[in-house]
Amino acid sequence: QLQLQESGPGVVKPSETLSLTCTVSGGSFSSGSYYWGWIRQPPGKGLEWIGSIHSSGSTYYNPSLKSRVTISVDTSKNQFSLNLSSVTAADTAVYYCARFDCWGQGTLVTVSS
Amino acid sequence: DIVMTQTPLSSPVTLGQPASISCRSSQSLVHSDGNTYLTWLQQRPGQPPRLLIYKISSRFSGVPDRFSGSGAGTDFTLKISRVEAEDVGVYYCMQATQFPNTFGQGTKLEIK
Repeated sequence: QLQLQESGPGVVKPSETLSLTCTVSGGSFSSGSYYWGWIRQPPGKGLEWIGSIHSSGSTYYNPSLKSRVTISVDTSKNQFSLNLSSVTAADTAVYYCARFDCWGQGTLVTVSS
Repeated sequence: DIVMTQTPLSSPVTLGQPASISCRSSQSLVHSDGNTYLTWLQQRPGQPPRLLIYKISSRFSGVPDRFSGSGAGTDFTLKISRVEAEDVGVYYCMQATQFPNTFGQGTKLEIK
């Protein structure tokens, strides 16, 4: 059964880079033709798509965040990662990694000095 | 970007009664491959979102058959035939036809 698990720091200082990793288990990132994505949810608010990486390695980003976002993959570890640079308090949110049919539990990242 | 608009934003429902949520997109969600990538997600309190329905009307594995999806083009509906207590939460429509993927604002389902 496919499972996704986010990991990374729970607190990031303003102007620094938020880095999260999603570990895929019960399946392979490279098998099939799937999009693997990052989505975030500010406390008490709705869902925002950050970006996706296809199993081929192609990446797609939300234009509103594109200048600050990088999504990459390490197929040897069956992981994909999110880097979001120059963070501010507005980036405080629960960050989820997901394939369309499976979501991680999410990890809360707070931007605070 | 495709804007997804859900109505209502809040839906108080009596247990055992039906519920319906509408989702409208600002442009057609028909992909060039002929599929319509309209998805419905359920987010129970304190939980991550969970896939209910994909490609308008395909129910995901393990989803009770009281949930159904319908629609075409720009207008879509999620229906719950008989609401149960475990259905409380926020429901989102999402389009994956075009990047950036976009979500509706969410509809909060609560029991009267």
